[in-house]
Formats: sequence, structure tokens, C-alpha cells
Amino acid sequence: QQQVKQSPQSLIVQKGGISIINCAYENTAFDYFPWYQQFPGKGPALLIAIRPDVSEKKEGRFTISFNKSAKQFSLHIMDSQPGDSATYFCAAGGTSGSARQLTFGSGTQLTVLP
Amino acid sequence: DAGVTQSPTHLIKTRGQQVTLRCSPKSGHDTVSWYQQALGQGPQFIFQYYEEEERQRGNFPDRFSGHQFPNYSSELNVNALLLGDSALYLCASSLRWNPEKLFFGSGTQLSVL
Repeated sequence: QQQVKQSPQSLIVQKGGISIINCAYENTAFDYFPWYQQFPGKGPALLIAIRPDVSEKKEGRFTISFNKSAKQFSLHIMDSQPGDSATYFCAAGGTSGSARQLTFGSGTQLTVLP
Repeated sequence: DAGVTQSPTHLIKTRGQQVTLRCSPKSGHDTVSWYQQALGQGPQFIFQYYEEEERQRGNFPDRFSGHQFPNYSSELNVNALLLGDSALYLCASSLRWNPEKLFFGSGTQLSVL
């Protein structure tokens, strides 16, 4: 019940295109859904996050869409740039009980072609 | 303001040995979580320390143990190393458990030969 499933495993887009990564979760105790960006040799860095009381959150070129009934959320990167090439992880966590940790998806390797 | 610092950055051990990894949390943080990230995988939660006690534990064997010191720094110990323990070990810190304020270090790359 702690799983977070992420797809696709890899994604190649042209510069200026839209990148979309999807995640699904099972544990209804999760109430915090962040996306992390990781470059080689570095730790994950928080990109954007959402709470389940809203269906969408936008920060610059990055948008999270959240569907509570389907237990799914997605990251949209608009106007993708070569500098966005990295591995992206969705995660889910909570503030009570066994959810007091982050459970990560398996990651998406994004390549943005110039 | 220093972020989360981990040492060493790289480590090579042989099967059966023991290893200790170290983490200093971000200034003002008192909770430390450890994650294991195998190549090509997402980080997996090992355990979390707060007030010098293990508060949460993931699905890892007892070979994995930890400690938190009064200055909030933490150690991760792994005994009887297996080849499968080769991974990037990440430390993350926060004030209490606040996932919105979770900061990761750059990790320790452990290779077991």
C-alpha cells in the first residue's frame, strides 16, 4: 500500500515541447505530493509540490495536476529546455502514522533535445 | 548557510565488511532521514531519527542501523555488506517531520566489491 508507480521510465522531447510524467499512489494516508529533480552526482532537489485540497498548482513552467479520486498526479513541463534534462521523481508522504516519510516513484529520465 | 552535508562522498568496501556513513543536517533542522538509491531507481526509505531515537523504519534488515547525536548529526551503519548494498545513500533533514521542508544531501556512493 506504500507504492508509488511512475511512468514513463524515459522521455525524449524537443526544445520548446511539453514533457508529461505520470504517477499513481495507493495509500490514502498520503497528503503531500512533491516532485523532485535530480542531476547526476547530486541529491534530489524539490521542484514543486501539491496538497490534495487543490487540483492544480503552477510554478513558472512547471505544473502539477492532481486527481484525488483516481489517486493520480502528473508533472507538466512547458517549453522544455535542454537544461531540464535530468531524472524526475514523484513522491508521496504524509504527516501521520506510517506515512511520515516520503515514498518515491522509480524515476523518469528526461532528455530535451536542442 | 550550509545545507545537508554527507561524508564520505565515495567509498569502496568488500563483501562482509562494515561501513559507517555520516550526515550533518541543515542548520536549524533536528530530524534526519536516510534513503538508499540503487542505480536507476528511486530513493527507498531506510529510517528516520528524531530526538536521538529511531522513529520510522522502512523495509530494511537489521544489518542497517543508525544513530543520532545530541547535535542532530547522524550515522548510518551497515554490517556484513552484500554486493546488493552498492548504492547512493542519501541523507535528508527537516525540522520535526515536515515533508515540505525536506532537504537532501548529495549522498555517499558506496561500492561493495
